[in-house]
Amino acid sequence: GESVGLHLPTLSVQEGDNSIINCAYSNSASDYFIWYKQESGKGPQFIIDIRSNMDKRQGQRVTVLLNKTVKHLSLQIAATQPGDSAVYFCAENRGGGFKTIFGAGTRLFVKA
Amino acid sequence: GAGVSQTPSNKVTEKGKYVELRCDPISGHTALYWYRQSLGQGPEFLIYFQGTGAADDSGLPNDRFFAVRPEGSVSTLKIQRTERGDSAVYLCASSLASSTEAFFGQGTRLTVV
Repeated sequence: GESVGLHLPTLSVQEGDNSIINCAYSNSASDYFIWYKQESGKGPQFIIDIRSNMDKRQGQRVTVLLNKTVKHLSLQIAATQPGDSAVYFCAENRGGGFKTIFGAGTRLFVKA
Repeated sequence: GAGVSQTPSNKVTEKGKYVELRCDPISGHTALYWYRQSLGQGPEFLIYFQGTGAADDSGLPNDRFFAVRPEGSVSTLKIQRTERGDSAVYLCASSLASSTEAFFGQGTRLTVV
């Protein structure tokens, strides 16, 4: 079936450390995997996506890794800042359709 | 405006009433999406428009829910005979046709009492 889930509901990191948020997925037919950030009272904000034929993609302070063998996705945030505190969702998307399925989210707490 | 605009920001309605939620997408974005988000959950896909037509409405939970986008811009999500279980934040997003990067509005918090 379709499902995108996360290993941990909360993650607490020290400011300046690197954060790693993990996600498992079950549907191998997805074309893209996407990470969104949602702050309290706001809509989700796109962070980065990765196409299913890629293993790694880097953005500004973020890296997404995709392991299709074990159906695992991760988001790495370098030098985590207080402004990174939010709920992070992984999502999967079928190209040509744009129906995006979201996971339940991981709440990231950044300690000063 | 610069972003996706949703109105109203909050809506309280009585069980059984009809409600309309409005979404103004980013100008030029042909794709528009509606999601529903319950507390502590990820957004749940409802429907996706490409232009004026609903390309995928498989997420609409039942026939009480309906959405339109008559001119390919503004969209309205309509809920008939509201139930307490419909209470949630309804999110709208838009994107360019060929992009996975969707821009979300701040949502409409619907409370059915």
